[in-house]
Amino acid sequence: AQKVTQAQTEISVVEKEDVTLDCVYETRDTTYYLFWYKQPPSGELVFLIRRNSFDEQNEISGRYSWNFQKSTSSFNFTITASQVVDSAVYFCALSEEWYGGSQGNLIFGKGTKLSVKP
Amino acid sequence: DGGITQSPKYLFRKEGQNVTLSCEQNLNHDAMYWYRQDPGQGLRLIYYSQIVNDFQKGDIAEGYSVSREKKESFPLTVTSAQKNPTAFYLCASSFGPNRGLNTEAFFGQGTRLTVV
Repeated sequence: AQKVTQAQTEISVVEKEDVTLDCVYETRDTTYYLFWYKQPPSGELVFLIRRNSFDEQNEISGRYSWNFQKSTSSFNFTITASQVVDSAVYFCALSEEWYGGSQGNLIFGKGTKLSVKP
Repeated sequence: DGGITQSPKYLFRKEGQNVTLSCEQNLNHDAMYWYRQDPGQGLRLIYYSQIVNDFQKGDIAEGYSVSREKKESFPLTVTSAQKNPTAFYLCASSFGPNRGLNTEAFFGQGTRLTVV
């Protein structure tokens, strides 16, 4: 069965600190997809990144970086030099491959609430 | 601008009443989804639809119903059978299985439903 675990319920940092949000997943499939979403106080989920299971390259986008390690089934998210605007709930999600009749739907972790204080 | 529109943003319902949440998208997406979010919880899938006139139950479909008569629209009805309907409801859409690799889902701004 698929499962996503975000062990950190809440994290509080001071502006300009680096912070890493952990995500551990479980799946039996060899082909799957991992996602990170940001949910600001307004409520809408904002897509941040998608990673395919066959692509273990780490990715950097500005102050954001993602570390994907299949050996530990982890897909961690690091914010460098955090800012107050980064305050939000961050969700990690897993989706398996579309097969005939398969859902291919997103399985979400419970989220990590990040508070960045000035 | 392309996107997903949910309405209303806030909704109050009396116990025993059915209520319908609207979700419209103009992204030409095949698949649409409804999720429920409770405080401190992740998102749980209520229903999903991969094509018009077809939809499937998710993990917590009891007390909910949907329709998919048009590609752009996927309304959710919260019925009186739903025991604890107070929650934040999010609609999403994505390209479906016929478009190749799984793509990301885009979300609406949500509807906060409160039973009074």
